[in-house]
Amino acid sequence: RKEVEQDPGPFNVPEGATVAFNCTYSNSASQSFFWYRQDCRKEPKLLMSVYSSGNEDGRFTAQLNRASQYISLLIRDSKLSDSATYLCVVGTTDSWGKLQFGAGTQVVVTP
Amino acid sequence: DTGVSQDPRHKITKRGQNVTFRCDPISEHNRLYWYRQTLGQGPEFLTYFQNEAQLEKSRLLSDRFSAERPKGSFSTLEIQRTEQGDSAMYLCASSFRLAYEYQETQYFGPGTRLLVL
Repeated sequence: RKEVEQDPGPFNVPEGATVAFNCTYSNSASQSFFWYRQDCRKEPKLLMSVYSSGNEDGRFTAQLNRASQYISLLIRDSKLSDSATYLCVVGTTDSWGKLQFGAGTQVVVTP
Repeated sequence: DTGVSQDPRHKITKRGQNVTFRCDPISEHNRLYWYRQTLGQGPEFLTYFQNEAQLEKSRLLSDRFSAERPKGSFSTLEIQRTEQGDSAMYLCASSFRLAYEYQETQYFGPGTRLLVL
């Protein structure tokens, strides 16, 4: 079983709509959580960190559920430029900063 | 440009050849990471350095792989006797993290795309 699992998608989303997707992680010692965005054939770029109380950055909202060990990302008012692969990323205190990446969820925003 | 840089961006080599990649991290960052990413997968951790010390290596890093960060600044990743299975994107990331912190943000370079024929 992979340490971080994501629905690969693709999630086809009309422009202006809302899309949400989750990822689950298996290591209960996980302490840091992130969403990274990766465009085709480019490097991952940090979208947002995920905090215990949940947090919002513009149209993006991230939630963390430690009890069920999942993280969610919600994108409101989707833009064409939101089309990308979203990587769920988890770090643990026992791994000295090593990050575990999910395989990514592909989002395609259509006009 | 103050971001992470990697060189070369693309490398095509024949099986059995040695290749070396370079990563220049963000200048004040004390941590440097190497990852490998294949199509349809997320990046997989290979190894990381805190300053010049290599502190952890993944099982993925066979004895054909070696990484260095001699002066705690740039790093090199060498693959000896390349195999077709080594074809992947090799990503470098850097961060600044104090020992007592557990939260850090890693910034990625553009990657080196390796194709082994």
